[in-house]
Amino acid sequence: GENVEQHPSTLSVQEGDSAVIKCTYSDSASNYFPWYKQELGKGPQLIIDIRSNVGEKKDQRIAVTLNKTAKHFSLHITETQPEDSAVYFCAADYGQNFVFGPGTRLSVLP
Amino acid sequence: GAGVSQTPSNKVTEKGKYVELRCDPISGHTALYWYRQSLGQGPEFLIYFQGTGAADDSGLPNDRFFAVRPEGSVSTLKIQRTERGDSAVYLCASAITGFGKETQYFGPGTRLLVL
Repeated sequence: GENVEQHPSTLSVQEGDSAVIKCTYSDSASNYFPWYKQELGKGPQLIIDIRSNVGEKKDQRIAVTLNKTAKHFSLHITETQPEDSAVYFCAADYGQNFVFGPGTRLSVLP
Repeated sequence: GAGVSQTPSNKVTEKGKYVELRCDPISGHTALYWYRQSLGQGPEFLIYFQGTGAADDSGLPNDRFFAVRPEGSVSTLKIQRTERGDSAVYLCASAITGFGKETQYFGPGTRLLVL
C-alpha cells in the first residue's frame, strides 16, 4: 500500500522567514498530492494541491513542488505570519482515498 | 454555503457501550469519507461511500465498526462494544464525485473518549 512520510515533525521559524515541509510517498501510481492545514480543534482544510502533470504550483505565499521521479513533494511558505501556526499534513491519493503523512507542527514566532 | 458538519462535537462513553457519530456532508456531494485521527497523527482512512453504497470499507479496523448512508446524504458511523483504544477524533469528509483526484472537504470532527 501507499506510505507517506513527512519531515520535520516540528518546525519553528521567526515571523517573516520561510518554512519548508517535505514529504515522500511510496506508490508510483499516486498522482494527486494535497496539503491540509489543521488548527486546534478543527478539521483539516485544504490549502494547496498539485497533480503529477505539474512540477510546481504557487498561490500567493504558498507553493508546492513535486518530483515524481524521486517520489517527493514539498510545501513552501514564504513571509510567514503568526496565523500560519498550525499542523500541516501532506497526503497522496491511493485508489479513491488519501493516505496522510503524520503531520508537521509549525510555530511562527513573533 | 454550509460545510461538512458533524455531531456530536464531543462524546464521552464507557467501555463496552455503543456509540453513533453523525456526518452531514456538503449538499450535492456524492462521495463521503470517514477517517480516524489519533493524537499527533494524520487522519487514517476508515470507509468511503459513493452515494448510498460503501465503495471501500478496507480501513475499518474490525467488525465492531460499521457505517451507513441510507439516502446518499447523511452518514452514521456506529461503534459497538467500545474499547479505550477507540478514543480518537473521527473526521468526516465529502467530495463532489469521488471519482478522480479532487478536494475532500473535512468537518470539524467528533472527539470520542472511551473511559
